[in-house]
Amino acid sequence: KAGVTQTPRYLIKTRGQQVTLSCSPISGHRSVSWYQQTPGQGLQFLFEYFSETQRNKGNFPGRFSGRQFSNSRSEMNVSTLELGDSALYLCASSLLYREGGYEQFFGPGTRLTVL
Amino acid sequence: GIQVEQSPPDLILQEGANSTLRCNFSDSVNNLQWFHQNPWGQLINLFYIPSGTKQNGRLSATTVATERYSLLYISSSQTTDSGVYFCAVTNTGNQFYFGTGTSLTVIP
Repeated sequence: KAGVTQTPRYLIKTRGQQVTLSCSPISGHRSVSWYQQTPGQGLQFLFEYFSETQRNKGNFPGRFSGRQFSNSRSEMNVSTLELGDSALYLCASSLLYREGGYEQFFGPGTRLTVL
Repeated sequence: GIQVEQSPPDLILQEGANSTLRCNFSDSVNNLQWFHQNPWGQLINLFYIPSGTKQNGRLSATTVATERYSLLYISSSQTTDSGVYFCAVTNTGNQFYFGTGTSLTVIP
């Protein structure tokens, strides 16, 4: 099976612009989660989508949004970019086990630089 | 949210040495994973281990959920083991909380 793919891998934007990142999960995985990784804050949960619905949301401002399509592919959007949004954005595709636990598999990430 | 503490924050080993990385968490969890982040940022799954002990080659992990900790053992370390090791936990569905990681450097 192909792994989680993320596009683009690198992105440079300027303050005030908006950006859209894309994630394709592993085939058959219906849950997609997004995380932001920065040197100062570490890995922080942004949101999770399951069957096109946002199921969980982390503590981020409304400038961060996402959606999931019927084929489970997901996009996240950041509007009005700030310098502090520079980060590695990681997407995870999850496998649900019968006993109820999730195992997450991560994509290679999109490295966003805001100038 | 759940607080996750990892220790030590940094570790430097000679090739061939063994090491133990620890993950403590502040609340009961129903899921725990260990990851290795390579220099390019990719998070690689090591173990899905909500409880018990697992082994995979030179790596093994133990989670004692009732005492709120997990251990990752690396034996006969190699330079390719260098990178950052993360522990991630959840107790509500699929929202994971990550520790701050252990940065491992293995020198030849």
